[in-house]
Amino acid sequence: DAGITQSPRYKITETGRQVTLMCHQTWSHSYMFWYRQDLGHGLRLIYYSAAADITDKGEVPDGYVVSRSKTENFPLTLESATRSQTSVYFCASSESGRFSGNTIYFGEGSWLTVV
Amino acid sequence: QKEVEQDPGPLSVPEGAIVSLNCTYSNSAFQYFMWYRQYSRKGPELLMYTYSSGNKEDGRFTAQVDKSSKYISLFIRDSQPSDSATYLCAMSASNQGGKLIFGQGTELSVKP
Repeated sequence: DAGITQSPRYKITETGRQVTLMCHQTWSHSYMFWYRQDLGHGLRLIYYSAAADITDKGEVPDGYVVSRSKTENFPLTLESATRSQTSVYFCASSESGRFSGNTIYFGEGSWLTVV
Repeated sequence: QKEVEQDPGPLSVPEGAIVSLNCTYSNSAFQYFMWYRQYSRKGPELLMYTYSSGNKEDGRFTAQVDKSSKYISLFIRDSQPSDSATYLCAMSASNQGGKLIFGQGTELSVKP
């Protein structure tokens, strides 16, 4: 049971470069999420998707782009990376958007450093 | 002001101690309350889930929600070194498509 996998796990990139973080889930969950985790802020929602081809902004979407052409994949792209985007990024998935007890599952995280 | 406030700690306790972790929130629309545990270099995993007010117990863990005070707590009895982790509270309103609002996380260390 592979679950939810993120790649790369660790990435160093330069300011201004485009970076794509990949997320793949094997459960066919409808909902997928991208969060970033920073000291003092906990996890903050960047983008989420209710189904293939349906995406919406979260709390901190600026500088990020997402797509969801297939249910199982939800890549996150930093079009022109900035130092403020140095963070740990977590992808998550959930069977339903109505949180009536269903669990949101998180990936292992992608550590991104922008120099 | 953040919607959810959590003391970041760090919190250090001896093995066997009772641990109390707390969060306050400002949005009265929150109805779903969760506690996640996150080990170093890992993703968060759901520990406890409570709907609306009340208590929920699972082994050594007890979650409490007081909606009138906008305050939630997680108690860990007989704490173990394996409980050393960061604990994150998270909340959601029923109409938010499963989106979670997290506290900052409390780093807990249980010393043998």
